[in-house]
Amino acid sequence: AQSVTQLDSHVSVSEGTPVLLRCNYSSSYSPSLFWYVQHPNKGLQLLLKYTSAATLVKGINGFEAEFKKSETSFHLTKPSAHMSDAAEYFCVVRGGNKLTFGTGTQLKVEL
Amino acid sequence: SAVISQKPSRDICQRGTSLTIQCQVDSQVTMMFWYRQQPGQSLTLIATANQGSEATYESGFVIDKFPISRPNLTFSTLTVSNMSPEDSSIYLCSAKTGEETQYFGPGTRLLVL
Repeated sequence: AQSVTQLDSHVSVSEGTPVLLRCNYSSSYSPSLFWYVQHPNKGLQLLLKYTSAATLVKGINGFEAEFKKSETSFHLTKPSAHMSDAAEYFCVVRGGNKLTFGTGTQLKVEL
Repeated sequence: SAVISQKPSRDICQRGTSLTIQCQVDSQVTMMFWYRQQPGQSLTLIATANQGSEATYESGFVIDKFPISRPNLTFSTLTVSNMSPEDSSIYLCSAKTGEETQYFGPGTRLLVL
């Protein structure tokens, strides 16, 4: 069985400052991990994915995530937050064909 | 990639009635799925829609309550039957191509009164 834990339900940053959204995973085998973003009243959009290639994964809109097996983590980062980044972010682990979602982190970006 | 559309985008229904949600993908996909996102919560997989055969349901979800059809490789429907206010949720269709990536539709926002 696999699971993910998003360590923060809410994160608030100022525009132009770094973003860190934390995710830990549990998987009985080499996992595939994803970050999705959900803007208000919009569908889910894939930000990036890790599928056992490079451990540092670059995604869209300047986001990236680093897979750290020793820490069972897959934290999402961005060097400089923009107002348009305000949304809910989901860390997801795949087991077989099934996706298991974390509980989500609501990112707030303030002026 | 795959672009997924859903109809309706939202609906308000009376308890005891049923609603069928349609999902259309712009290309042939290997797998299709239905998820539920209850208010303020994360996504939960309801079932995998299998083409030409019965859907595979996750624990806690049954065919009588959530019948699913998938007549071809690009289309699926989810019916929410005998609705109650507890069924008020966002229902999302998802599809997987031959790649690792799973794509999601915009969701159907359902309110049951």
